[in-house]
Amino acid sequence: QKEVEQNSGPLSVPEGAIASLNCTYSDRGSQSFFWYRQYSGKSPELIMFIYSNGDKEDGRFTAQLNKASQYVSLLIRDSQPSDSATYLCAVGWGNTGKLIFGQGTTLQVKP
Amino acid sequence: DTGVSQDPRHKITKRGQNVTFRCDPISEHNRLYWYRQTLGQGPEFLTYFQNEAQLEKSRLLSDRFSAERPKGSFSTLEIQRTEQGDSAMYLCAIQGSSETQYFGPGTRLLVL
Repeated sequence: QKEVEQNSGPLSVPEGAIASLNCTYSDRGSQSFFWYRQYSGKSPELIMFIYSNGDKEDGRFTAQLNKASQYVSLLIRDSQPSDSATYLCAVGWGNTGKLIFGQGTTLQVKP
Repeated sequence: DTGVSQDPRHKITKRGQNVTFRCDPISEHNRLYWYRQTLGQGPEFLTYFQNEAQLEKSRLLSDRFSAERPKGSFSTLEIQRTEQGDSAMYLCAIQGSSETQYFGPGTRLLVL
């Protein structure tokens, strides 16, 4: 079992729809969770972080965390073609602060 | 702008050559991380520094790899005797508040 798992996709949604991206992790002791967006050929860009169970909203983005199920998700409302990118889930590992990443989910938003 | 620059942005080298990459945070950050990303995969942790001390190295960091952060500011990553399998994007990240990490633009290495 990989430490952080994501469906590689591609996930295709029409413009204006809600995109739902999911991630599971193996370490029950993990405390910090991050979502990065990566455009082709670019470096990852931090878009959300969450530490507590429940939802955290920032604009069109909502991160959801369920520690009991070891599950993190990212919802993108009113998806735009500019949201087309790879979304990386990352988990803070141990007390070093290092991040363990999933392989990423490719999102395609079709006009 | 994440406040991290990396140089060079692209590097093409022949197998067996040595290469060195540099990471420059604009302002002081205690923790600095190096990751490697290959096509279709998420970044993989290589090593990190707390100020000038290198505190953890991944198993991915063979003895051909060495990293330094001599004054606790910029950092270098050297790969000796490059192999084709070293071809990847090398990413530097600084830790901000709340354990967040911000990546530089990366150095894309191609080993021929």
